[in-house]
Amino acid sequence: GAGVSQSPSNKVTEKGKDVELRCDPISGHTALYWYRQSLGQGLEFLIYFQGNSAPDKSGLPSDRFSAERTGGSVSTLTIQRTQQEDSAVYLCASSVYGTRYEQYFGPGTRLTVT
Amino acid sequence: AQSVSQHNHHVILSEAASLELGCNYSYGGTVNLFWYVQYPGQHLQLLLKYFSGDPLVKGIKGFEAEFIKSKFSFNLRKPSVQWSDTAEYFCAVNGGNTPLVFGKGTRLSVIA
Repeated sequence: GAGVSQSPSNKVTEKGKDVELRCDPISGHTALYWYRQSLGQGLEFLIYFQGNSAPDKSGLPSDRFSAERTGGSVSTLTIQRTQQEDSAVYLCASSVYGTRYEQYFGPGTRLTVT
Repeated sequence: AQSVSQHNHHVILSEAASLELGCNYSYGGTVNLFWYVQYPGQHLQLLLKYFSGDPLVKGIKGFEAEFIKSKFSFNLRKPSVQWSDTAEYFCAVNGGNTPLVFGKGTRLSVIA
């Protein structure tokens, strides 16, 4: 079956511009996660959606970052006024239910801020 | 706050050598432990996980990990590595339904 998909695969933007990154989770998965992967830094948790519950936003690094999940499916991560330190690979994952379950990762979006 | 430490940043082994990758965590309660792997050009995927029960967990491709509660460790092992095991390996931990905390990863290079 289809896995987690993300778009675009690569995004180059100028400092100060806003960007939107999209994630399509596996159908039927109620949990969706966003992570940021920087070189040598591992995966940094950003935000977690579980069903209709309020999202866990505890990992968002600043108020320039936001995410929404529409209809319990597709999610968009928005970064406003991008900075060079935002350059990273942004990964999306989904799981059947909560964080005890296997997370299935997408291919990521490589964001470069110039 | 939870944290995960992976001691080795880059490990280079010859084929057939034994592998042990260290993972230590900091967390005060009951933990769930995971190892994920990222092969070159592929997505992250689950290798194995531990929630409770037998502390020796077996995963895919001949990997296993042992949970030692007293040492706060969850080291990954494989008796004999193959060239195809070349990848980056991530240890992760959470408690209950909290978000996963990942280590910084260990890059494994297996040479012929």
